[in-house]
Amino acid sequence: QKEVEQDPGPLSVPEGAIVSLNCTYSNSAFQYFMWYRQYSRKGPELLMYTYSSGNKEDGRFTAQVDKSSKYISLFIRDSQPSDSATYLCAMSDRTDKLIFGTGTRLQVFP
Amino acid sequence: AAGVIQSPRHLIKEKRETATLKCYPIPRHDTVYWYQQGPGQDPQFLISFYEKMQSDKGSIPDRFSAQQFSDYHSELNMSSLELGDSALYFCASSPRQESSYNEQFFGPGTRLTVL
Repeated sequence: QKEVEQDPGPLSVPEGAIVSLNCTYSNSAFQYFMWYRQYSRKGPELLMYTYSSGNKEDGRFTAQVDKSSKYISLFIRDSQPSDSATYLCAMSDRTDKLIFGTGTRLQVFP
Repeated sequence: AAGVIQSPRHLIKEKRETATLKCYPIPRHDTVYWYQQGPGQDPQFLISFYEKMQSDKGSIPDRFSAQQFSDYHSELNMSSLELGDSALYFCASSPRQESSYNEQFFGPGTRLTVL
């Protein structure tokens, strides 16, 4: 079983919809939780970073972490066609390496 | 803003050949990370360096080696290439901050194809 589980999708939504992306994990040592966006054949781009439990909002994006349930979420409000990409959750304990989920492919259609 | 630079962007090699991938971190970033992303897979951590010393090691094959130089750029050397080494290789860099998470910024990747 992978340390980080993420539904690969694809997830297809109409423009303007609220998108919910989720990951679960098994390693209770994880303290840092990230969401990356990756366009085809490009490097991952950091969207949101959260330390420990709680919510964090940045524009149309909200990240939630529930350490008691080992569950993290990313919400995208007023989704746009330009949001179409693969969204990867990633986690870390106090070491350098990131453990990624498999990524969820999102398509926002006009 | 300056980003992580990787070269070459594309590389085609034959089985059993060697390959060298280069990474130039963002200015003033002293930590470099290497990841391998196979087709349809998530990035897997290979190795990281801080101040020219290896700081962490992941699932890097013995056929691979890496180092960080005095100007902080890093090179990933891959020998006896196998078909399964075909992947996208990402380099990321971060400034070292002892009191908080080291936010990693990724480069565009080098696509290695082994024939």
